[in-house]
Amino acid sequence: GQNIDQPTEMTATEGAIVQINCTYQTSGFNGLFWYQQHAGEAPTFLSYNVLDGLEEKGRFSSFLSRSKGYSYLLLKELQMKDSASYLCAPKAAGNKLTFGGGTRVLVKP
Amino acid sequence: EPEVTQTPSHQVTQMGQEVILRCVPISNHLYFYWYRQILGQKVEFLVSFYNNEISEKSEIFDDQFSVERPDGSNFTLKIRSTKLEDSAMYFCANAGDRGTGSYGYTFGSGTRLTVV
Repeated sequence: GQNIDQPTEMTATEGAIVQINCTYQTSGFNGLFWYQQHAGEAPTFLSYNVLDGLEEKGRFSSFLSRSKGYSYLLLKELQMKDSASYLCAPKAAGNKLTFGGGTRVLVKP
Repeated sequence: EPEVTQTPSHQVTQMGQEVILRCVPISNHLYFYWYRQILGQKVEFLVSFYNNEISEKSEIFDDQFSVERPDGSNFTLKIRSTKLEDSAMYFCANAGDRGTGSYGYTFGSGTRLTVV
């Protein structure tokens, strides 16, 4: 089975940086995805890590440590539109994505 | 950017009725998934489908649920006898490979099912 742990909610100020941590335990590991989900909408792909280290993509970066079962998503230069839930989703052996409960990020002016 | 299209966007049905949720996947993307999200809860895996058969299913996906590709293109989820607790947003997802590419799964915009 899989166990995914991420904070429920975080608040930050526009222009600031926020780091969302995720720890996971999976039976087999085949990469980790981060998705963004606005209320009432579908999840949209943000990042994918399969090897250890940092992947940078514009204002968003994602880090993975496979030995520690740990990942984080870093959001820089926060904008109001970044207010959303951020879902950590490790992929186990096979092809199934399992989602964590998500971290709701509230960006304040 | 290619899209996954789901219909209807919202369906209200009476308890005990059958519903069929439809998904038009991205052309040539051969891996299909259904997920659901009960209001305020996490996105939950239901079933994966490849090469015209179920690859994996969760405990949620009991005998009331079925999936098929009736015409080789559309991908459907059928709930035979809906229960109140089936009320949720249902997402179809699609992948061009086993999801190991850098773009992950593409999700449709969802069908909000309300069972009354």
